[in-house]
Amino acid sequence: EDQVTQSPEALRLQEGESSSLNCSYTVSGLRGLFWYRQDPGKGPEFLFTLYSAGEEKEKERLKATLTKKESFLHITAPKPEDSATYLCAVQAIGGAGSYQLTFGKGTKLSVIP
Amino acid sequence: DTGVSQNPRHKITKRGQNVTFRCDPISEHNRLYWYRQTLGQGPEFLTYFQNEAQLEKSRLLSDRFSAERPKGSFSTLEIQRTEQGDSAMYLCASSLASGLYYEQYFGPGTRLTVT
Repeated sequence: EDQVTQSPEALRLQEGESSSLNCSYTVSGLRGLFWYRQDPGKGPEFLFTLYSAGEEKEKERLKATLTKKESFLHITAPKPEDSATYLCAVQAIGGAGSYQLTFGKGTKLSVIP
Repeated sequence: DTGVSQNPRHKITKRGQNVTFRCDPISEHNRLYWYRQTLGQGPEFLTYFQNEAQLEKSRLLSDRFSAERPKGSFSTLEIQRTEQGDSAMYLCASSLASGLYYEQYFGPGTRLTVT
């Protein structure tokens, strides 16, 4: 069974204080690892897809990296508008159900001015 | 706006009533997914369609739940005889079924409250 564990559950940062969020995963064969941002009461907003170990992607203050067992979302010099819950999900290779996403519980990020 | 849309955004119903939600995917996307999310949890997969065919259903999808996607366009999710445990955010997502890109784009969700 595919599993995704995110840590920490919650993170409070001062504005400008860089940090990283962790996503550990267990999957039979990885098709892709996805990062989403979710604001309260809204649907998840797509951020990144990573397909293979060693891959990195960047968008503004966010950088996502992938190894064979985990992914990190690095946040550089965060601003209050980066406050949200960040969700990690995996998609496994093979079988009729292989397009479903298995999500972690998320990391709730609060950036204090 | 060409994103995924869902209606209604909020639904309050009494236990035992039936409810139906609608999802309109991004127009060129041929895969459509339903997820359910409860407070403090990540979304959980319910079912997905490729065009009009329902190809996978989670064991979370009890007999009281049914989903359709007539003509491979919009989709509906119906819950019969609602229970308080059905209270959740119901999310719809869509994606392309081709090539190397598998990212799913989510709608705003329908918040269901069963009283």
